[in-house]
Amino acid sequence: QKEVEQDPGPLSVPEGAIVSLNCTYSNSAFQYFMWYRQYSRKGPELLMYTYSSGNKEDGRFTAQVDKSSKYISLFIRDSQPSDSATYLCAMSAGDSGGGADGLTFGKGTHLIIQP
Amino acid sequence: DAGITQSPRYKITETGRQVTLMCHQTWSHSYMFWYRQDLGHGLRLIYYSAAADITDKGEVPDGYVVSRSKTENFPLTLESATRSQTSVYFCASSGAGQGLISPLHFGNGTRLTVT
Repeated sequence: QKEVEQDPGPLSVPEGAIVSLNCTYSNSAFQYFMWYRQYSRKGPELLMYTYSSGNKEDGRFTAQVDKSSKYISLFIRDSQPSDSATYLCAMSAGDSGGGADGLTFGKGTHLIIQP
Repeated sequence: DAGITQSPRYKITETGRQVTLMCHQTWSHSYMFWYRQDLGHGLRLIYYSAAADITDKGEVPDGYVVSRSKTENFPLTLESATRSQTSVYFCASSGAGQGLISPLHFGNGTRLTVT
């Protein structure tokens, strides 16, 4: 079993819908959780960053972490065609949040927002 | 502009050839990373470096060599390329250190094909 599981999709939804993206993990030592967005032929860019359990909101994006269930989610409200991309969850057990020893990534979910 | 630059963007090479992928960052970040991205596997860490002349193996280091003589450069060498090394390679950097939490910043990748 891979340490981080993520449904690769594709996930196709109409413009304006609420999108829910999820990852599960097996390593209980993970304490930093990130979501990266990757457009085609580009590198991943950091979208959201959370520590331990709880919610974090940034504009139309909300990240949730449930450490008891080893489950993290990213919600996108009022989805736009420009949100079409691959979304990667990433995690780290180290104190640097992955900055010193790297991140463990999910495989990514390909999201398509239909105009 | 400050950032992280990878070269070349595309490379085709033959089995058995040596090939070097270049990575240059202008942030003076201490930490640098090499990942490969493959369908079905997601992003996997190859090597990382905490500073000049300090490198460590990641999840999939076999067949790769790295060096870091200068803080800003972190080249990745495939000493004898194999078809299984056909992939998209991403370099990343982080300003983590002294307890500072810093996310990974990625370049736009090198798409390598080994024939």
